[in-house]
Amino acid sequence: SQQGEEDPQALSIQEGENATMNCSYKTSINNLQWYRQNSGRGLVHLILIRSNEREKHSGRLRVTLDTSKKSSSLLITASRAADTASYFCATDAGYSTLTFGKGTMLLVSP
Amino acid sequence: GAGVSQSPRYKVAKRGQDVALRCDPISGHVSLFWYQQALGQGPEFLTYFQNEAQLDKSGLPSDRFFAERPEGSVSTLKIQRTQQEDSAVYLCASSLGTLPPRSYEQYFGPGTRLTVT
Repeated sequence: SQQGEEDPQALSIQEGENATMNCSYKTSINNLQWYRQNSGRGLVHLILIRSNEREKHSGRLRVTLDTSKKSSSLLITASRAADTASYFCATDAGYSTLTFGKGTMLLVSP
Repeated sequence: GAGVSQSPRYKVAKRGQDVALRCDPISGHVSLFWYQQALGQGPEFLTYFQNEAQLDKSGLPSDRFFAERPEGSVSTLKIQRTQQEDSAVYLCASSLGTLPPRSYEQYFGPGTRLTVT
């Protein structure tokens, strides 16, 4: 079963705009990760945030984590057409096995 | 270096047939995972190996599903007597270690798309 839910389910923006995706989960976690999946391809790891961290940056990506609300957000700044993909959050309860959400489909139009 | 590879990339099976899906993890990666991804959904965990030991198979949906990793590298996921509900993309992932922090980043293969007709 899925651990959590991403919202929105789909997001359509113009190049240069920022994209924000949210993830909620149900149980306590050790880490939360974000992955990207291009159409018909495997998942690519983007960023990991540990349960004792509140915010993390990597290039154009900014992730926040609120363990009291069991939620996380992924912000992609200055989006590009190449950012078009599905984005998944995945939680790790300390065992290494990941539990994924249903994903947000992001479409960035030129 | 080479990433995780999976074969075949596409497989069409008639209902009732057996299929075998192969995963070649990144060399030296101790942990190996199989996930099933239905259309429009996120991946769902099937099973986990640490070297050749299958430590968790709680996600396997039925006893028709069987996975092995006999020498601690290549893994095979076998599905017997395939059913239409088995149609999905099967993803394999590997991870360098088992202890934090190296355990956490998983590297995924491109997946095998299985269609059962």
